[in-house]
Amino acid sequence: RKEVEQDPGPFNVPEGATVAFNCTYSNSASQSFFWYRQDCRKEPKLLMSVYSSGNEDGRFTAQLNRASQYISLLIRDSKLSDSATYLCVVIYNQGGKLIFGQGTELSVKP
Amino acid sequence: GAGVSQSPSNKVTEKGKDVELRCDPISGHTALYWYRQRLGQGLEFLIYFQGNSAPDKSGLPSDRFSAERTGESVSTLTIQRTQQEDSAVYLCASSLESGNQPQHFGDGTRLSIL
Repeated sequence: RKEVEQDPGPFNVPEGATVAFNCTYSNSASQSFFWYRQDCRKEPKLLMSVYSSGNEDGRFTAQLNRASQYISLLIRDSKLSDSATYLCVVIYNQGGKLIFGQGTELSVKP
Repeated sequence: GAGVSQSPSNKVTEKGKDVELRCDPISGHTALYWYRQRLGQGLEFLIYFQGNSAPDKSGLPSDRFSAERTGESVSTLTIQRTQQEDSAVYLCASSLESGNQPQHFGDGTRLSIL
């Protein structure tokens, strides 16, 4: 089993749609959680951290369920510019090395 | 600049040659990480440095791979006797300290082995 697993993609949605990405992690000692965004042939960029209480940044909402070892990202009112691969990322040791999911590709169409 | 800087941005070399990749972290960031991303695949952790502590080399795929860092500044990743399967984008990231801090990535070095 992979350490971090994400929904298989691609997700193809129309502009304005709401889309949800899910992610599960296998190590219950995981400490920190992030969503990164990666555009084609570009480096990953931090989208948002994920907190146990859930957090929101504009159209983006992230949730963490430690009991189920589950992370989600919700994008409301999707824009063409949201098209990218979304990476679920977990840190579970003191060293801080990121463990990446395989990513879910999102394509927002006009 | 304010971000993580990597060089070269692209490198094409023949199989069997050695290559050296460079990373300049964000000033003040004590933790530095190297990752690899093969075409169409996820990111793989290679190695990380935190201050003067011994580096975590657990992700290095073979003894042909090595990395050094001078203090809290520049790091170099060296691949000896390159193989075609080494072709990938090599990404460097830095953070304020190891642990739970988000990491900021450079643009990467695209390595192609002929």
